[in-house]
Amino acid sequence: GENVEQHPSTLSVQEGDSAVIKCTYSDSASNYFPWYKQELGKRPQLIIDIRSNVGEKKDQRIAVTLNKTAKHFSLHITETQPEDSAVYFCAASRGGGGSNYKLTFGKGTLLTVNP
Amino acid sequence: DSGVTQTPKHLITATGQRVTLRCSPRSGDLSVYWYQQSLDQGLQFLIQYYNGEERAKGNILERFSAQQFPDLHSELNLSSLELGDSALYFCASSSNQLANTGELFFGEGSRLTVL
Repeated sequence: GENVEQHPSTLSVQEGDSAVIKCTYSDSASNYFPWYKQELGKRPQLIIDIRSNVGEKKDQRIAVTLNKTAKHFSLHITETQPEDSAVYFCAASRGGGGSNYKLTFGKGTLLTVNP
Repeated sequence: DSGVTQTPKHLITATGQRVTLRCSPRSGDLSVYWYQQSLDQGLQFLIQYYNGEERAKGNILERFSAQQFPDLHSELNLSSLELGDSALYFCASSSNQLANTGELFFGEGSRLTVL
């Protein structure tokens, strides 16, 4: 089955700096890669996703890049703010995300943005 | 509010006991997923149901079982509980519509404590 590795497990940055979280996946058939944000005591929520036919996607301060050949994808957050502090999970799935396929998650990255 | 309802929110029980966690998916969603979240293991996929049928199985122990009922709500049964079963159990659902983006909508979780 799919295995998703995520690094680093913790990341501390100063407000205004950039943060990068990296993930690798093992299943070459995976073609949907979402990122979820989980604030303390809350449920995970989707913040951005990318499909295998795209190399990069941006949404304001958040961007995700995908390298299918190397089987890795990354989350980039620019101009970090204290409210970005949370646990971030990467995930991978087959079916392009539209076929009700299960997500396999990485173990998460605790991001702390210091004011 | 994701539209996914989980009960109970908190549950404290003793080793050897059995509990049932309940999940109501978003209106119209046919897929239900169960995930276990513990401190060091991230979000572990347990099982997925689609329209009443088991669709995918992950690292679910034999002591655990689940089902999805005709009204699409799902129950996760945990028996012969051990200390290590203490965790946050999330239910999620996804759309079966053609425009499905692949997003999983998580409930608030059921926190199980086994003493």
